[in-house]
Amino acid sequence: QVQLQESGPGVVNPSETLSLTCTVSGGSINFYYWTWVRQPPGKGLEWIGHIYSSGTTDYNPALKSRVTMSVDTSKNHFSLKLSSVTAADTAVYYCARGSKLDSWGQGSLVTVSS
Amino acid sequence: DIVMTQSPDSLAVSLGERATINCKSSQSVLYSSDNKNYLGWFQQKAGQPPKLLIYWASTRESGVPDRFSGSGSGTDFTLTISSLQPEDAALYYCQQYYMTPYTFGQGTRLEIK
Repeated sequence: QVQLQESGPGVVNPSETLSLTCTVSGGSINFYYWTWVRQPPGKGLEWIGHIYSSGTTDYNPALKSRVTMSVDTSKNHFSLKLSSVTAADTAVYYCARGSKLDSWGQGSLVTVSS
Repeated sequence: DIVMTQSPDSLAVSLGERATINCKSSQSVLYSSDNKNYLGWFQQKAGQPPKLLIYWASTRESGVPDRFSGSGSGTDFTLTISSLQPEDAALYYCQQYYMTPYTFGQGTRLEIK
C-alpha cells in the first residue's frame, strides 16, 4: 500500500520560506492529486491545496499569494513552499493522496520562531 | 467557501451504545452528474494523522469496521458508530471535496462515558 513521508526543517524563521517535501513509496505518483493539509497545535484541519501529477495546482485562496507546490515524478515526490511565514503558520503539515485523502503522511511539525 | 458545521462539539457515550455525529454544509455537495455526495469522514487520535473512514458520504474505506456508517445527502450528513468500542475515542471530522478550497468541519470529540 502507498506510504507518504514528509521531510523538512522543523523550525523556520519569521518572514522566511517554509519548505517541505513528501516522498511517496509503494505506488506511483502519476495520475493522482496530491494534497497538503495543516493543523495548528490543538486546532482543526486546513486544506492548503493540491497538485496533480501533471503539475496542475489549486491553492486555498487564503494562502494562495504565499503558496507554491511542485511535483517531481522521477523522484516520486512533491513539495510545498510557503513564503513570508509568521507564528500563525506554526502547525503540523500533512501530505495526503487525492481529493478523498485516503492515505496520509505522519505529519511534520513546523515551528515559526527566531 | 463551503462552510462545514459539525454538531455536537463533543459527546460522551457508554461502551456498546450508539454515537451519532452530524455535519451540515453551507451548500449542497451532491454532484448531479454522478449523483455522488462529495463528503468524507475522518477519525483522528492524539499524535496521529487523520484516518479516512467514509467517502462518498456512505462508502466505508477498506478495513474500517462495519460499526461505522455514514448517511445523508445534499447538505446534511451523519456519522454513526453503532456499538461504541474503547478504541473509538477520538476526534472526528467531516470534509467536503465538492469544491475547492476543500473544507473541514471544526471537529467533534468523542469520549467514552
